[in-house]
Amino acid sequence: NAGVTQTPKFQVLKTGQSMTLQCAQDMNHNSMYWYRQDPGMGLRLIYYSASEGTTDKGEVPNGYNVSRLNKREFSLRLESAAPSQTSVYFCASSAEGGLNYEQYFGPGTRLTVT
Amino acid sequence: KQEVTQIPAALSVPEGENLVLNCSFTDSAIYNLQWFRQDPGKGLTSLLLIQSSQREQTSGRLNASLDKSSGRSTLYIAASQPGDSATYLCAVPWGGGATNKLIFGTGTLLAVQP
Repeated sequence: NAGVTQTPKFQVLKTGQSMTLQCAQDMNHNSMYWYRQDPGMGLRLIYYSASEGTTDKGEVPNGYNVSRLNKREFSLRLESAAPSQTSVYFCASSAEGGLNYEQYFGPGTRLTVT
Repeated sequence: KQEVTQIPAALSVPEGENLVLNCSFTDSAIYNLQWFRQDPGKGLTSLLLIQSSQREQTSGRLNASLDKSSGRSTLYIAASQPGDSATYLCAVPWGGGATNKLIFGTGTLLAVQP
């Protein structure tokens, strides 16, 4: 059981470039999430998917798009990267969309935009 | 808007000491509260999830309490060890609905000195 996996682990982009962060989970979880973590700001939710085929905005969605490709995979796309998107990105999943299920996190993607 | 605060931001203790980490939240209408551990450069590991109907949850040397009326949770670590050194984060759900979207505190960085 790999849990939640993320690729790539590190990425450097130039301003204006695009890229997709990949996330997959093998726990048969319904709900998946994308967070970003910045010094002094803590973790903030970017987008989430309560179930396959549904996505919704979180706290800081501007500049990002997501795709829930299937039950296992949830990708995050930066269409035109900006230095303000330099951050560590975490994907997470939970068993259900209900309110009493633990979230399990991936190891993160460290993104630098120059 | 729900806000989550963790004080102190950093804590250093000698090995073997018992310690308490604090988490405060502004909106007491929470469904649960989750404590996480984050090692440097790594993702988050779920430690404990306390449901709103519970007052305490225990796992090994860890004990988490929840007082919704006062908007507080504490994480008690007994007989601390150098391996406990990490950042500890608490998080509560926000936004209502059926999805467990989380708001995080900014964490307490714990250093246990051998």
